[in-house]
Amino acid sequence: GESVGLHLPTLSVQEGDNSIINCAYSNSASDYFIWYKQESGKGPQFIIDIRSNMDKRQGQRVTVLLNKTVKHLSLQIAATQPGDSAVYFCAEKLSGSARQLTFGSGTQLTVLP
Amino acid sequence: DSGVTQTPKHLITATGQRVTLRCSPRSGDLSVYWYQQSLDQGLQFLIHYYNGEERAKGNILERFSAQQFPDLHSELNLSSLELGDSALYFCASSALWRGGTDTQYFGPGTRLTVL
Repeated sequence: GESVGLHLPTLSVQEGDNSIINCAYSNSASDYFIWYKQESGKGPQFIIDIRSNMDKRQGQRVTVLLNKTVKHLSLQIAATQPGDSAVYFCAEKLSGSARQLTFGSGTQLTVLP
Repeated sequence: DSGVTQTPKHLITATGQRVTLRCSPRSGDLSVYWYQQSLDQGLQFLIHYYNGEERAKGNILERFSAQQFPDLHSELNLSSLELGDSALYFCASSALWRGGTDTQYFGPGTRLTVL
């Protein structure tokens, strides 16, 4: 049968601009969240994480914001560069003994010259 | 480079066959996770091992099995392969510190093509 790919949200930004990638997570019992970057043909690469007792965390050129009220996570990338072009996934982990991650469907970020 | 290694990088086989995918976690990590990434399902958790013991199962088919050896490397066995098993298979590892975050670091993946 025909294979239907995931319809990824896309975001195109000019080089040097800031990017904001959004994610709605599914489970209010999740206590840990991670953003991954996946380039074509490669494995997901850890970018930044945040625990549910925080609402903001900053890294180098990246900031993650967590809004537990509306179950929303965002990744902000400052001064976006061509090397930032990739698919970005948010992932959540349930509190308790389960350690596996549940991934969102991803957002394709394209940086325009 | 995450420190997680996977072999082989590519695997092409026929329907009905059996294959084994191998993963070596980062040095010191006791937890290994397997995920499947297909075009229509995204990244799906399959199974988690901690220090040789199975800890959790996700959407893993009965035709699939895994194990983690005393040296902490893990193998994912896929049998009676079907066309729909074609996907990228990723291994991830974490330190699994009690009470702390356990960031998962992913390997480069094995691309399985079933013809």
